[in-house]
Amino acid sequence: EPEVTQTPSHQVTQMGQEVILRCVPISNHLYFYWYRQILGQKVEFLVSFYNNEISEKSEIFDDQFSVERPDGSNFTLKIRSTKLEDSAMYFCASSVKTHEDFGPGTRLLVL
Amino acid sequence: DQQVKQNSPSLSVQEGRISILNCDYTNSMFDYFLWYKKYPAEGPTFLISISSIKDKNEDGRFTVFLNKSAKHLSLHIVPSQPGDSAVYFCAARIQGAQKLVFGQGTRLTINP
Repeated sequence: EPEVTQTPSHQVTQMGQEVILRCVPISNHLYFYWYRQILGQKVEFLVSFYNNEISEKSEIFDDQFSVERPDGSNFTLKIRSTKLEDSAMYFCASSVKTHEDFGPGTRLLVL
Repeated sequence: DQQVKQNSPSLSVQEGRISILNCDYTNSMFDYFLWYKKYPAEGPTFLISISSIKDKNEDGRFTVFLNKSAKHLSLHIVPSQPGDSAVYFCAARIQGAQKLVFGQGTRLTINP
């Protein structure tokens, strides 16, 4: 069964550094998403991407975040200058229409 | 953001019995509801969904019930199996929007 994959599984970075989280969505899916879950908190929406542009974003998704689909398979989330509060599990997801299929997540730790 | 609430952080059920997980929402604009299951170190896995035009949807051992007037939905698992032990998330979507709003999750433990 096709699945969403994410790399790396874990990333440790210093505050102020840039990180890029990578995702390969399911191949026939058209909608792509990033969610995050801070330890002990709810899963929260960051951004959705459709037809090569952002279709919806949350208040969390400020100028330090960006997304890109650099080729036909990858979908990336860049955090330009990481903060301590960016430490979280980041989930990529993709969908056709009815429900999102989530990847296993990247655990980001900002020191 | 308290739009979707799962008031029970944990639930323990004996194997073979029914598990009932509950979810309440406050936003009447939600028109599509989903349940996800999550194991440690994995992403959420889709289980079942329901549109606001229905009040019940069934898929094998899983049934979701929606009570729009009470703004309440529930997931029934019967019979419960040890492999069902996981965290269960309720999520909701507003018509025309793409973001899912999640509840806090309920940790279900199935005891042998």
